Amino acid sequence: DAGVIQSPRHEVTEMGQEVTLRCKPISGHNSLFWYRQTMMRGLELLIYFNNNVPIDDSGMPEDRFSAKMPNASFSTLKIQPSEPRDSAVYFCASRPPSITDTQYFGPGTRLTVL
Amino acid sequence: TQLLEQSPQFLSIQEGENLTVYCNSSSVFSSLQWYRQEPGEGPVLLVTVVTGGEVKKLKRLTFQFGDARKDSSLHITAAQPGDTGLYLCAGAFSGNTPLVFGKGTRLSVIA
Repeated sequence: DAGVIQSPRHEVTEMGQEVTLRCKPISGHNSLFWYRQTMMRGLELLIYFNNNVPIDDSGMPEDRFSAKMPNASFSTLKIQPSEPRDSAVYFCASRPPSITDTQYFGPGTRLTVL
Repeated sequence: TQLLEQSPQFLSIQEGENLTVYCNSSSVFSSLQWYRQEPGEGPVLLVTVVTGGEVKKLKRLTFQFGDARKDSSLHITAAQPGDTGLYLCAGAFSGNTPLVFGKGTRLSVIA
């Protein structure tokens, strides 16, 4: 079975550019989470969706960050404009409706903003 | 303030040694999970503990949930280089809420 799929795996961009990260959750999962991981702050929850609806976006750092989930099989996290401090690994995770204490993570997108 | 505190933050040991890492909180969780993350990959679930005092074993790994469901420990016996990675604990509250993650213990096992 395919796990959570993220693309791209690596992204290098220049400050001020728009960045779009993509996630395909596991089929049948109804919750989707976006995380950011850095050495200093660990794994931070940015936003999560339940049945395609954003439930809590209080972790989104600022208005430069936005996330969408147009359907059950696709989500995007956009940063515009990007800044060097946004450099991190971004993870997407999904969760099935029947098991609310387990999340399945994708391989992550390593973002470097120069 | 970190809801889940993990210690130690870093641990470097020789192959064959035993080790214990800890995950502590002042909050009560409905369950607690341990994940292992290898470089360049996402966290992978190792175990879920649900009942206070519960002990689960996964080969050389022993997981314990505290009686009050506020803390947990992970003990590795005879560590091997393949155990190297970042060990994350995550707590779940009842209801459809996200997991709360600790910052992790970064383990390095040297051959």
